[in-house]
Amino acid sequence: DTAVSQTPKYLVTQMGNDKSIKCEQNLGHDTMYWYKQDSKKFLKIMFSYNNKELIINETVPNRFSPKSPDKAHLNLHINSLELGDSAVYFCASSQGPSNEKLFFGSGTQLSVL
Amino acid sequence: QQQVKQSPQSLIVQKGGISIINCAYENTAFDYFPWYQQFPGKGPALLIAIRPDVSEKKEGRFTISFNKSAKQFSLHIMDSQPGDSATYFCAASRVGNYGGSQGNLIFGKGTKLSVKP
Repeated sequence: DTAVSQTPKYLVTQMGNDKSIKCEQNLGHDTMYWYKQDSKKFLKIMFSYNNKELIINETVPNRFSPKSPDKAHLNLHINSLELGDSAVYFCASSQGPSNEKLFFGSGTQLSVL
Repeated sequence: QQQVKQSPQSLIVQKGGISIINCAYENTAFDYFPWYQQFPGKGPALLIAIRPDVSEKKEGRFTISFNKSAKQFSLHIMDSQPGDSATYFCAASRVGNYGGSQGNLIFGKGTKLSVKP
């Protein structure tokens, strides 16, 4: 059983399109995250939700909007995609918001053409 | 501002050798220092972590050495194996302080380790 699953694994789209990435965790964790990994492998947090409440909102363009319908799901919607959005997006979860032991999904490789 | 500096960027080690990756942090409020291992096409996975109340933590072939006064910590992989070839990330955060910059888990830029057979 996959602990943190995200779909799709690959996403290829044109500039200006709107796309969504979905994430689900079956670990019973309260906290979920979105991280962005750029082409140089640098990992940077984008958002964090604890029990469906936004607790970390880093400097990210307004075109990125997370949504947590329940504590097991955290989706990421991206409007008006730009070339610079191309990256690997990782969903992660942890038992609580203290950042200890994050469990990451396998990533979604987004390519904007 | 890069709060966690990691070196080297890449490392090649012979099988059986010792791999050493170093990290330095700036924020003295950080109190949790994990290392994550990432294989190609996979997400990072927690390998080992340390709190600043101890200077060393060992789990199997993996050891973290921590120097609080120097604000540095390092990962040592003993008897390195080809299966250890991966990208390793150090990170730091202030546990229990969520929200705001200190609540984030700040990652180093990663070290690509290649262990030659």
